[in-house]
Amino acid sequence: EPEVTQTPSHQVTQMGQEVILRCVPISNHLYFYWYRQILGQKVEFLVSFYNNEISEKSEIFDDQFSVERPDGSNFTLKIRSTKLEDSAMYFCASSVGTGKEKLFFGSGTQLSVL
Amino acid sequence: GESVGLHLPTLSVQEGDNSIINCAYSNSASDYFIWYKQESGKGPQFIIDIRSNMDKRQGQRVTVLLNKTVKHLSLQIAATQPGDSAVYFCAETTNSGYALNFGKGTSLLVTP
Repeated sequence: EPEVTQTPSHQVTQMGQEVILRCVPISNHLYFYWYRQILGQKVEFLVSFYNNEISEKSEIFDDQFSVERPDGSNFTLKIRSTKLEDSAMYFCASSVGTGKEKLFFGSGTQLSVL
Repeated sequence: GESVGLHLPTLSVQEGDNSIINCAYSNSASDYFIWYKQESGKGPQFIIDIRSNMDKRQGQRVTVLLNKTVKHLSLQIAATQPGDSAVYFCAETTNSGYALNFGKGTSLLVTP
């Protein structure tokens, strides 16, 4: 079965540094998402992306965050100046259609901000 | 406030028994619900979904029940196996329909 792949699996960074998390969605999918999960908590929606623009974002997704689809296969999440509270597991997901379609999630990138 | 939540944070069942995981939602306009399973160290994995025009939907060993009157959703797993041990999340689409809101999760532990 096709899958969403994320790199790196673990990322350690210093507070204030920029990080870029990378994702390769499933090739025929049109909608892309980033979610995060702080340890022991629920999965939280960050942003959805379709047709090269953000279709919805949550309150968490502030000006420090940005997303990009730099080519036909990658989908990235950039955190410009990381904070301690950004430490979490970040999941990329993709779907054929909107949020009312089955989302396929990657295995996540564990971000640790020191 | 949180619109999707779970009644119980943990559930322990014996192998072979049936499991029932419950979820409450508060948005009466929600029209699509999904159950995801998350194993340790992995991303959420789709289990089953249901639209609001249905009361029940069955999959392989899983059944989702939707009670719109009391805004309650449940996941039933028949003949629970050790491989079913995971955290289970219910989710509903956001008002825009572009994304999902997840509940807090129930940890299911299957004992031999």
